[in-house]
Amino acid sequence: DADVTQTPRNRITKTGKRIMLECSQTKGHDRMYWYRQDPGLGLRLIYYSFDVKDINKGEISDGYSVSRQAQAKFSLSLESAIPNQTALYFCATSDRGLAGGPRENEQFFGPGTRLTVL
Amino acid sequence: GNSVTQMEGPVTLSEEAFLTINCTYTATGYPSLFWYVQYPGEGLQLLLKATKADDKGSNKGFEATYRKETTSFHLEKGSVQVSDSAVYFCALRRYSTLTFGKGTMLLVSP
Repeated sequence: DADVTQTPRNRITKTGKRIMLECSQTKGHDRMYWYRQDPGLGLRLIYYSFDVKDINKGEISDGYSVSRQAQAKFSLSLESAIPNQTALYFCATSDRGLAGGPRENEQFFGPGTRLTVL
Repeated sequence: GNSVTQMEGPVTLSEEAFLTINCTYTATGYPSLFWYVQYPGEGLQLLLKATKADDKGSNKGFEATYRKETTSFHLEKGSVQVSDSAVYFCALRRYSTLTFGKGTMLLVSP
């Protein structure tokens, strides 16, 4: 079984609808992240969480919200979807690691959710 | 702020050719540097990393050396295979989050 799973894998919705993307991990990591990937723009960080009570905005948080329901679960919501939120969304996890250690901040990515907003 | 610049793709090579994908960065202090690879239809996977100047990261025949004086972390492989076809992302870490470049697509033909 995959260590980082995302549901749904594909979603088509309409402008104005509320959408939730879910991420679960079995790696036991404290840190979780949401990114979006757009052609020619690489990955951009939306939100991240270093533990259950910690939520931080990333580079492009406007129009998004998140919920860290448990150590293993981190959900991304679009309260009112718009067409320019059409993208590939990735969840990632990492452990704290020791500075300079072999696992320092290595991020493990889920398979992605392809979201289309019409 | 932090930023990563990669050469634009696609890079098209024949099997067994030499590969270089350029990456330069801008950051305060001393970031850690990474190369991630994304195969078609999949998420990103860590390919290699380097945490301080002059470190060389290597994996699966790929190498990259952290060059502080030129703020670069170029990815190289001596002989590419068709199975190396993917998108490659250079990234840096400062203060626990990653900043990615835009990615470079590599296409290797038999």
